[in-house]
Amino acid sequence: NAGVTQTPKFRVLKTGQSMTLLCAQDMNHEYMYWYRQDPGMGLRLIHYSVGEGTTAKGEVPDGYNVSRLKKQNFLLGLESAAPSQTSVYFCACRDGGPSPLHFGNGTRLTVT
Amino acid sequence: DQQVKQNSPSLSVQEGRISILNCDYTNSMFDYFLWYKKYPAEGPTFLISISSIKDKNEDGRFTVFLNKSAKHLSLHIVPSQPGDSAVYFCAASAKDSNYQLIWGAGTKLIIKP
Repeated sequence: NAGVTQTPKFRVLKTGQSMTLLCAQDMNHEYMYWYRQDPGMGLRLIHYSVGEGTTAKGEVPDGYNVSRLKKQNFLLGLESAAPSQTSVYFCACRDGGPSPLHFGNGTRLTVT
Repeated sequence: DQQVKQNSPSLSVQEGRISILNCDYTNSMFDYFLWYKKYPAEGPTFLISISSIKDKNEDGRFTVFLNKSAKHLSLHIVPSQPGDSAVYFCAASAKDSNYQLIWGAGTKLIIKP
């Protein structure tokens, strides 16, 4: 029972390159989230999904796209990476109602 | 406009003593509050939560207190242990926003031997 798995763990991109971060959960949770964490700023919500086939914008969506084609997977895409997207990205999922989020271990992305 | 604030970026406590981490919020609609713990190079892990119908919730060494009139919650860790050294995030949510979490910036807790 892996919970929430993120791949890759680390990545270095050049400005303008694209990449996709993959999140997979085996908890059968409806809600999935992508956050970025920057020093001194806590967790900021990029995009989220309330169920298979749905996505919605969070607090800082610009420069990112997402897809939730299957319930267990939530993909985060960067079409043209910028240095400002250097961050640690966390995926999370939860059940409905007032329930805690379960996080993956993060992807550390550096854009040079 | 920070709806959830953790005003202490760091806190240092002697092993065995009580650690008290504080969190303030501004939105009176928040009705579910959580604390998370984060070690370096790992994702945040859920620690303890409290609903607005309660003013205290306890789980082993961890107790969360909620003061709705002051819009303030605190996490008490007693006794503090070296493994408690981590960054602690508080988060709040409301039923009318589908329990979307709003996060504080975190407090780094250092337990001294």
